[in-house]
Amino acid sequence: NAGVTQTPKFRVLKTGQSMTLLCAQDMNHEYMYWYRQDPGMGLRLIHYSVGEGTTAKGEVPDGYNVSRLKKQNFLLGLESAAPSQTSVYFCASRGGTSGYNEQFFGPGTRLTVL
Amino acid sequence: GEDVEQSLFLSVREGDSSVINCTYTDSSSTYLYWYKQEPGAGLQLLTYIFSNMDMKQDQRLTVLLNKKDKHLSLRIADTQTGDSAIYFCAESKPSGGYQKVTFGTGTKLQVIP
Repeated sequence: NAGVTQTPKFRVLKTGQSMTLLCAQDMNHEYMYWYRQDPGMGLRLIHYSVGEGTTAKGEVPDGYNVSRLKKQNFLLGLESAAPSQTSVYFCASRGGTSGYNEQFFGPGTRLTVL
Repeated sequence: GEDVEQSLFLSVREGDSSVINCTYTDSSSTYLYWYKQEPGAGLQLLTYIFSNMDMKQDQRLTVLLNKKDKHLSLRIADTQTGDSAIYFCAESKPSGGYQKVTFGTGTKLQVIP
């Protein structure tokens, strides 16, 4: 099993450009999440999904859109990138609703917006 | 609201014990977690504790929970250079059919050989 994979690993954008980050998991997990990690701020939830075809807003959703057309994939889109979106983006997945169910994280995508 | 706080940095000598502390504000938390993040990688779950437990031990790791003071700690015995990483405390609670997880800011552990 590859676990959770993210594409790309690094990206540099100019202000106003758009891009899509891809997250894939091969564990048949229902729940998937997108976080951003900024220095001194921990992880903040952007959007999440509780199953194929569903998405919901997290803590910091503005400027991002997501889609979950297939159970194994969760896409994060930036329609018009801004320097404030420079961050490291992590995708995670989780199998069930029990509290202790582990979130499995991808390796991250480092995005710089100039 | 939910808030999870940690000190940003801890430095220890190899072989000593490390104690990483975390405070949280939400008394309705059901589970509390410790995650480890190595450089350039995602987070990995180290251990978790249910909110009605006081202590959990797993090999070199000891988790202590003081629910009254909303204080969680992670003790790493015989700290090794491979333990150098960022450690995140997190709490979860049910929220609208979804387990809401709130992460702390992370504590960077530096192990000096």
